[in-house]
Amino acid sequence: DAGITQSPRHKVTETGTPVTLRCHQTENHRYMYWYRQDPGHGLRLIHYSYGVKDTDKGEVSDGYSVSRSKTEDFLLTLESATSSQTSVYFCAISEGTGHQPQHFGDGTRLSIL
Amino acid sequence: QKEVEQNSGPLSVPEGAIASLNCTYSDRGSQSFFWYRQYSGKSPELIMSIYSNGDKEDGRFTAQLNKASQYVSLLIRDSQPSDSATYLCAVNDMRFGAGTRLTVKP
Repeated sequence: DAGITQSPRHKVTETGTPVTLRCHQTENHRYMYWYRQDPGHGLRLIHYSYGVKDTDKGEVSDGYSVSRSKTEDFLLTLESATSSQTSVYFCAISEGTGHQPQHFGDGTRLSIL
Repeated sequence: QKEVEQNSGPLSVPEGAIASLNCTYSDRGSQSFFWYRQYSGKSPELIMSIYSNGDKEDGRFTAQLNKASQYVSLLIRDSQPSDSATYLCAVNDMRFGAGTRLTVKP
């Protein structure tokens, strides 16, 4: 299995609080992605990174920010969590030959009350 | 708005049958197409990629691409209960369909 670790795996928090999710990879892949998955919507891209300090927005980036200070780590921050951000969040990586994620982490189940 | 559409299912087939999963996309400029399998409660895994019109076979899986009609399909031959999962279609701009849930009945 590809070395991707997401933390935490589960989190419950309250509306208005900041939340940070971490993705750590040991594959030295260039591309990293954050997706959210909701019933009826499939996977939707939040942000992605194509290198250290190089990031770009996906289709549902409002309310989220990301940072990548090292090749192996990609952080997703919810500035002020809302109930609409309750979801399962997946991190993914790619070697960079294309834009399509090749390996996914196990996911973080986030509940915002 | 670029769209990737899949029938949400559930699609139910008997063991040993051929399962046919379909996906349509709206962006005519799309060049790369992918199929992922996702077991319940698990993360997606990449199972097939296709870039040219026609068929691509990998074991019991065949991906079919028709760019003129803007559809891509996945055929699973000799379906097994272990193939029961949700199958996600994706195109090269990192956009996914909502997935089709497949159930293979023994």
